[in-house]
Amino acid sequence: DGGITQSPKYLFRKEGQNVTLSCEQNLNHDAMYWYRQDPGQGLRLIYYSQIVNDFQKGDIAEGYSVSREKKESFPLTVTSAQKNPTAFYLCASRTTGGGNEKLFFGSGTQLSVL
Amino acid sequence: EDQVTQSPEALRLQEGESSSLNCSYTVSGLRGLFWYRQDPGKGPEFLFTLYSAGEEKEKERLKATLTKKESFLHITAPKPEDSATYLCAVQAGGNNRLAFGKGNQVVVIP
Repeated sequence: DGGITQSPKYLFRKEGQNVTLSCEQNLNHDAMYWYRQDPGQGLRLIYYSQIVNDFQKGDIAEGYSVSREKKESFPLTVTSAQKNPTAFYLCASRTTGGGNEKLFFGSGTQLSVL
Repeated sequence: EDQVTQSPEALRLQEGESSSLNCSYTVSGLRGLFWYRQDPGKGPEFLFTLYSAGEEKEKERLKATLTKKESFLHITAPKPEDSATYLCAVQAGGNNRLAFGKGNQVVVIP
């Protein structure tokens, strides 16, 4: 089955610790995205990547970092500089161009602070 | 800046009671408007894409419509399994990002 796999489902971070959220897709999509979702809030864009080895900051990139070394993978690191990391994190991907540009989402990672 | 406003924020419906959700948007050159369904603790699931004013799309009890300023998601004779948060998002021309609204939380009571 084609899709997007996020892991882990739940993650706990200690103060001062960096943690990495995994996102893998086998849809052969060029573009990948990371969103943050807080209760009662819309999805806010953290980082996105249109192509391997290139990525752009979204609206709330501070305290986060990403890499895009392979087309299939787009890991997100939540650094110790992110002071309020508790949220639901969603990874998404899509094709670029061709008219049908809907986003496909993973099942999410819930990050909490210990 | 692209803006998306969804109303009402929360809606409780009796089973079979039809209603509509609103998504108002401000965008420079609409490229596409998207509706998603999200269940608690899960990722959003794609429902519809609308590209131009006057367009309509249907799926089971859901029907999405689009004007130049807003979109409606009509839920006809809802069932408890239609309970979810419905997300609206827009993409502007020449932009590879989507702007999301805060969602419409729908609860259908048996």
